[in-house]
Amino acid sequence: EAGVAQSPRYKIIEKRQSVAFWCNPISGHATLYWYQQILGQGPKLLIQFQNNGVVDDSQLPKDRFSAERLKGVDSTLKIQPAKLEDSAVYLCASSWGTAYGYTFGSGTRLTVV
Amino acid sequence: AQTVTQSQPEMSVQEAETVTLSCTYDTSESDYYLFWYKQPPSRQMILVIRQEAYKQQNATENRFSVNFQKAAKSFSLKISDSQLGDAAMYFCACWKGSNYKLTFGKGTLLTVNP
Repeated sequence: EAGVAQSPRYKIIEKRQSVAFWCNPISGHATLYWYQQILGQGPKLLIQFQNNGVVDDSQLPKDRFSAERLKGVDSTLKIQPAKLEDSAVYLCASSWGTAYGYTFGSGTRLTVV
Repeated sequence: AQTVTQSQPEMSVQEAETVTLSCTYDTSESDYYLFWYKQPPSRQMILVIRQEAYKQQNATENRFSVNFQKAAKSFSLKISDSQLGDAAMYFCACWKGSNYKLTFGKGTLLTVNP
C-alpha cells in the first residue's frame, strides 16, 4: 500500500511571499488532515476534511491560510502572505475516519526568511 | 477540549536498558484511543503502539509496552532493551471518536547512549 505523499520536501521563501503544499492521501481514505509542527513542539491540527468537505478548521489562520481538497482526494494547503512564524513542518495525514490506519506523510519543511 | 501533557522534554537511556516516558491526558470522551508515535529526524511520524480506552489490558508491541491507568488518565510508554535506533522524538496522542481528531503532546526527545 502506497503511503501518504507530500511535496515539496523543503521550501524556503521570503516573508510576504506565497507558498503551496500538496498532499496525496492513501487511496480510499475519506479523512484528510493538515498539521503544523513548529520546531520542538507537537503537531497542531490546522484543518480536517471528510471527503471534500471541511469538518474542522478552527485552528486555521484564515486571513493567510487556505486549503482545499478537490474531488475528495488530493489536497493543497496555501499560505499567502507568509510570515516568519509560519516556519514549521507541515504534515499531512489520512485515515478511514477511525482510530486505525491513521497514516502520516513525511512532511514539508518550510523556512520563511 | 482535550489536552495531552508530556512532562519530560528530554530523556536519556543506556543501550540495552529500560526507559519509561510519561504522558497524561484529559478528555471527557468515553470513546477514545491513545497512541505513542516516534518521529526520527526524517520527520516521518511512525506509530509505535495503540491503546483502546475500553480495554483494560495494557498494549504491548515487542520491546514497547504501555502502562494505561484510566482513572488517573495516565499513559506511559516503556521501552525495554533500548537500541540506538530508538533515539527519536516520542509523541503521546489522544484520538477521540466524536470528531476523529488526534491531539498531540509536546514530545519527549529520547537519546540512547552506546
